[in-house]
Amino acid sequence: GAVVSQHPSWVICKSGTSVKIECRSLDFQATTMFWYRQFPKQSLMLMATSNEGSKATYEQGVEKDKFLINHASLTLSTLTVTSAHPEDSSFYICSARGDRHNQPQHFGDGTRLSIL
Amino acid sequence: KQEVTQIPAALSVPEGENLVLNCSFTDSAIYNLQWFRQDPGKGLTSLLLIQSSQREQTSGRLNASLDKSSGRSTLYIAASQPGDSATYLCAVPGGATNKLIFGTGTLLAVQP
Repeated sequence: GAVVSQHPSWVICKSGTSVKIECRSLDFQATTMFWYRQFPKQSLMLMATSNEGSKATYEQGVEKDKFLINHASLTLSTLTVTSAHPEDSSFYICSARGDRHNQPQHFGDGTRLSIL
Repeated sequence: KQEVTQIPAALSVPEGENLVLNCSFTDSAIYNLQWFRQDPGKGLTSLLLIQSSQREQTSGRLNASLDKSSGRSTLYIAASQPGDSATYLCAVPGGATNKLIFGTGTLLAVQP
């Protein structure tokens, strides 16, 4: 089945650091990738949608200068949390989908980000 | 605006019981509906995907049904096991990009 690899799985860093999270589709071409954020005991909240080779579409309330998304190839998207602060601590999950809207999304294992 | 709701929010059953999880959505114009499982601190594992033209999908002890006209889906788990304990989420595509809109989740605990 389709596999999505997300790295790193866990990162702890100091306030003010920028953190990059990678999301790779290992055995299919991901035309569209999605980035989600999940707070404890809550469901997933979509942050942004990225299509290969174009700018990401951010959900309302998500700062695009804070959360930089790059989707430069059909197998890789990155999320960079710039100048991270403790309130950015959360569980970040990516998903990837092929080129048809009725195809399923395949999810990575998530990244636990802790900002001290 | 599409809204997805799951009932119950939490469920605890003894091992071996059959159980049903419910998902309802307000806009019936959907491409498909997906059921996921999430273990604590982990990402999502896709369990079943039902296309809008289908009525149900089966995988092992899992059976998912879809009734678009009434805006409902159910996930049936047969002969539950402690390893089935997790949060179960349903989701439907929505919006211009067909982003997934998730339900509120059902936290399942299967007692040995």
